Amino acid sequence: EAGVTQFPSHSVIEKGQTVTLRCDPISGHDNLYWYRRVMGKEIKFLLHFVKESKQDESGMPNNRFLAERTGGTYSTLKVQPAELEDSGVYFCASSQQGDSPLHFGNGTRLTVT
Amino acid sequence: GENVEQHPSTLSVQEGDSAVIKCTYSDSASNYFPWYKQELGKGPQLIIDIRSNVGEKKDQRIAVTLNKTAKHFSLHITETQPEDSAVYFCAASVGGWGKLQFGAGTQVVVTP
Repeated sequence: EAGVTQFPSHSVIEKGQTVTLRCDPISGHDNLYWYRRVMGKEIKFLLHFVKESKQDESGMPNNRFLAERTGGTYSTLKVQPAELEDSGVYFCASSQQGDSPLHFGNGTRLTVT
Repeated sequence: GENVEQHPSTLSVQEGDSAVIKCTYSDSASNYFPWYKQELGKGPQLIIDIRSNVGEKKDQRIAVTLNKTAKHFSLHITETQPEDSAVYFCAASVGGWGKLQFGAGTQVVVTP
């Protein structure tokens, strides 16, 4: 089966610009998660979708971040406007059920200059 | 909330030797503990996991032990090979398996 795919793999933008990251989960996986790792620190949870509904968005840093999952398939994470501290690697993961292990994508490396 | 500490941050081992990575967690309600391996340019890949009702689990050269009383768990890799070189992350979860609290990672280098 195809794994979790994310694009772009890299994005370099200037402070104040907008960037949209996309994640395609494994087909049939209702649960979709966003994580990020900034400046070599630990990977941190951002939010969790079950189908198209946000189950838990307690990890979202602030209102500059907006995640959507229209139709319950792919998801987008938009950062607007981007700040320097948003630089890092953004990972998407999916699972078939709430108690199933996560499958991670390769991540999007975001650099804000 | 949950806090996971991971040690060491870097680990260099000779091929064929064993490697051990240790993690501690703070929330006694945590009940799921996965370990992930991340190779350069790729996302974390689950290599082994353990639930709180099990003390030890083994899969070929990889084993994980859990001490609930002390709130720590460890990853053991035996007979290390160069392809074991990667960053390893421990994680803990309370309730749902998907909301994970990760450790900071351990860079493992296996030298031939």
